[in-house]
Amino acid sequence: DSGVTQTPKHLITATGQRVTLRCSPRSGDLSVYWYQQSLDQGLQFLIQYYNGEERAKGNILERFSAQQFPDLHSELNLSSLELGDSALYFCASSLTTGGYEQYFGPGTRLTVT
Amino acid sequence: AQTVTQSQPEMSVQEAETVTLSCTYDTSESDYYLFWYKQPPSRQMILVIRQEAYKQQNATENRFSVNFQKAAKSFSLKISDSQLGDAAMYFCAYRSALQTNAGNNRKLIWGLGTSLAVNP
Repeated sequence: DSGVTQTPKHLITATGQRVTLRCSPRSGDLSVYWYQQSLDQGLQFLIQYYNGEERAKGNILERFSAQQFPDLHSELNLSSLELGDSALYFCASSLTTGGYEQYFGPGTRLTVT
Repeated sequence: AQTVTQSQPEMSVQEAETVTLSCTYDTSESDYYLFWYKQPPSRQMILVIRQEAYKQQNATENRFSVNFQKAAKSFSLKISDSQLGDAAMYFCAYRSALQTNAGNNRKLIWGLGTSLAVNP
């Protein structure tokens, strides 16, 4: 158990819908990262937050957004969902924004039908 | 841009034997970190081992060790005394060590993974 929690574990929704994925980092970790794992593109970095502020952006679509709250949990919002958004979404956390070890949550499996 | 390549999509090993998974990377940076992560059927991403580029000594964690060849940009993972529980996808990942506020250097860059089967 990495100490990073993600909810829900599974999510099935229809195209055009909007969903929110939630992540709670390890106790004491200030930095949260979101990754997408799909069959055709492997693991891709989406976005990073540190202590409530956005710090880095990767291959994140404009339909996706994220935030980190004062209690350090983070939410990834996916809207206008398409079939291609079906993937495993991971959250990871690290101690500081420079902390090089990232610990991963169990992931949320999103299926868009 | 940095890239990570795992040239072996699938590998197999007999229980108790040793197997080596390959990883090469491309970067112009001199300071960085390299990782091997394991993803079993449960899908949990588990950190197996890490290597700091400035360290010449190869990292070791119990039955897992790496062969880090900085000049060749190679970072292979050796699993000794393979166990059934080692069966998983193994991902090699790179992270820059640049200390800037630009932010993007903190992301992990991933290979496509190697699926390891352990035969009893």
